[in-house]
Amino acid sequence: KNQVEQSPQSLIILEGKNCTLQCNYTVSPFSNLRWYKQDTGRGPVSLTIMTFSENTKSNGRYTATLDADTKQSSLHITASQLSDSASYICVVTITTSGTYKYIFGTGTRLKVLA
Amino acid sequence: KAGVTQTPRYLIKTRGQQVTLSCSPISGHRSVSWYQQTPGQGLQFLFEYFSETQRNKGNFPGRFSGRQFSNSRSEMNVSTLELGDSALYLCASSFVPAGEKLFFGSGTQLSVL
Repeated sequence: KNQVEQSPQSLIILEGKNCTLQCNYTVSPFSNLRWYKQDTGRGPVSLTIMTFSENTKSNGRYTATLDADTKQSSLHITASQLSDSASYICVVTITTSGTYKYIFGTGTRLKVLA
Repeated sequence: KAGVTQTPRYLIKTRGQQVTLSCSPISGHRSVSWYQQTPGQGLQFLFEYFSETQRNKGNFPGRFSGRQFSNSRSEMNVSTLELGDSALYLCASSFVPAGEKLFFGSGTQLSVL
């Protein structure tokens, strides 16, 4: 069954600290993996997208990694800020016979405290 | 450059009614996709339109339908509303289907009473 699991479900950290969010997937055939940030009451905003051949991608203080062998991805946030408080969603795209399907994780809710 | 615009922002309906949601994509984007987001299920893909044609569809009943106009604006319709249809409905636009970067609107929060 195609699944995307994220951990932890929620996380509380102090401002300035680093954190890492995990995304494990059991999908096939894999096309790409995206990380989104969603503020409360807003739509998701794209952070990174990685294909099979990419294993690291950065977007400012956000760095995503991908291990296609273990089917794991992580999102590392450096020097967290209060504005990083949001839900982070991992999405895997699978492509078969010219059609595609999005498999969404349920997200990690991050709270950054002053 | 204006972002993805969804209207209305909030909507309250009763069971059995129908509802139409609207999405205006970013200028130049021809692909519009729709998603349902609930606390229990998270984000789920509904369908995607490109050049007025439905290119992809998720696992939702036929009560959920959509269309896209020649100016790329899209509408989503839900008929015979059920309590379980209460959710945040998001649309996203991109240049092409399954585009590298999806730009989401702020969503329409639908409450079914």
